Amino acid sequence: GAGVSQSPSNKVTEKGKDVELRCDPISGHTALYWYRQRLGQGLEFLIYFQGNSAPDKSGLPSDRFSAERTGESVSTLTIQRTQQEDSAVYLCASSLAHRRRELRETQYFGPGTRLLVL
Amino acid sequence: DQQVKQNSPSLSVQEGRISILNCDYTNSMFDYFLWYKKYPAEGPTFLISISSIKDKNEDGRFTVFLNKSAKHLSLHIVPSQPGDSAVYFCAASGGLNSGGSNYKLTFGKGTLLTVNP
Repeated sequence: GAGVSQSPSNKVTEKGKDVELRCDPISGHTALYWYRQRLGQGLEFLIYFQGNSAPDKSGLPSDRFSAERTGESVSTLTIQRTQQEDSAVYLCASSLAHRRRELRETQYFGPGTRLLVL
Repeated sequence: DQQVKQNSPSLSVQEGRISILNCDYTNSMFDYFLWYKKYPAEGPTFLISISSIKDKNEDGRFTVFLNKSAKHLSLHIVPSQPGDSAVYFCAASGGLNSGGSNYKLTFGKGTLLTVNP
């Protein structure tokens, strides 16, 4: 079946502009995650969606960042008034979510969106 | 403050030999550990995981060892193949005692493995 897809694959923007990144999770996956990887760094958790529960936004670096998810499908990550330090690869992942919270589900990643802010 | 550390940015081994990738962590609440593999221009791919109740987990050529007292884990690949050349990320997550956010992965910076033919 299809994996996680993200668009665009690359985005170049000017400082101060808004950008919107899209993620299509694997069908049937109720959990969706956004991560960011800056150059030479590991992946940083940004936000987590699980079904109809309130999202965990604890990883969002500033109020310029926001994300939405429609039901259990597409998610968009929006960065307003982009800054040069926002340049990074933005990765989306999805997973199943067991009813038993102690179980860990494998997160499947998309190819990422490479954002360059000039 | 890095909670998951991969101190070797790169590692080069000969085909057929063993590759050993190391990872250290500082957060004692972590109780689940994973290794992901990443090729250029692709997203990370899950490789193998281990729960803190175990000290070893094996899957084919890949074995992960966990030393809780040392807060150290390692990934062994044997025999190494040229197709194993990629960046390997170590990741960890906390248990339910860490506020229930056991889904939140903390990643190291990665180690670039090169397997030479």
